[in-house]
Amino acid sequence: GAVVSQHPSWVICKSGTSVKIECRSLDFQATTMFWYRQFPKQSLMLMATSNEGSKATYEQGVEKDKFLINHASLTLSTLTVTSAHPEDSSFYICSATRLAGNYEQYFGPGTRLTVT
Amino acid sequence: AQTVTQSQPEMSVQEAETVTLSCTYDTSENNYYLFWYKQPPSRQMILVIRQEAYKQQNATENRFSVNFQKAAKSFSLKISDSQLGDTAMYFCAFEYNNNDMRFGAGTRLTVKP
Repeated sequence: GAVVSQHPSWVICKSGTSVKIECRSLDFQATTMFWYRQFPKQSLMLMATSNEGSKATYEQGVEKDKFLINHASLTLSTLTVTSAHPEDSSFYICSATRLAGNYEQYFGPGTRLTVT
Repeated sequence: AQTVTQSQPEMSVQEAETVTLSCTYDTSENNYYLFWYKQPPSRQMILVIRQEAYKQQNATENRFSVNFQKAAKSFSLKISDSQLGDTAMYFCAFEYNNNDMRFGAGTRLTVKP
């Protein structure tokens, strides 16, 4: 149990367009979902934390108007990269914690975004 | 602010040997969680082992064990009987309050046949 999926697994988009990434908890309800960004050969950097039905909390330096996060249900969170630029190209990973669990984070397989 | 430091960017070990990955952290908190995650080339984050700070006993999971020194704020990972499938990036992580998780820079481990 505790499977998290992401869709798409990879996406290529043109500069100036927007792209949406979905994160789903497949077999559990998630109280909180997290979005991370990972540049090549670097660590995971937390972008934002989202709770179902409320606004996401963004880390310092992350533009909330550029990275729109929606957590509409206990099993789905979306990250929309608006007006994407080549520097937004990265690996985006989501994670989720159970509604009634031990605070362990379950990670999705990640989404590779390439902006041309 | 909580910080996590992994001072070994790369390490290698011969198959069947033992290797230890280092991790130190800085926090003023008393109750927190520490993790080691493995990230193979597929990029999927896999939990290797977890340690609750209030537990004095070191966590173990089969070939993986930790040396948790709370006073020294040290949390090293020992991999025994290394296998080729252990080749991956290993991240040490600290989690406190509302699941705010911080990762170290990572250690790339290569297991040589």
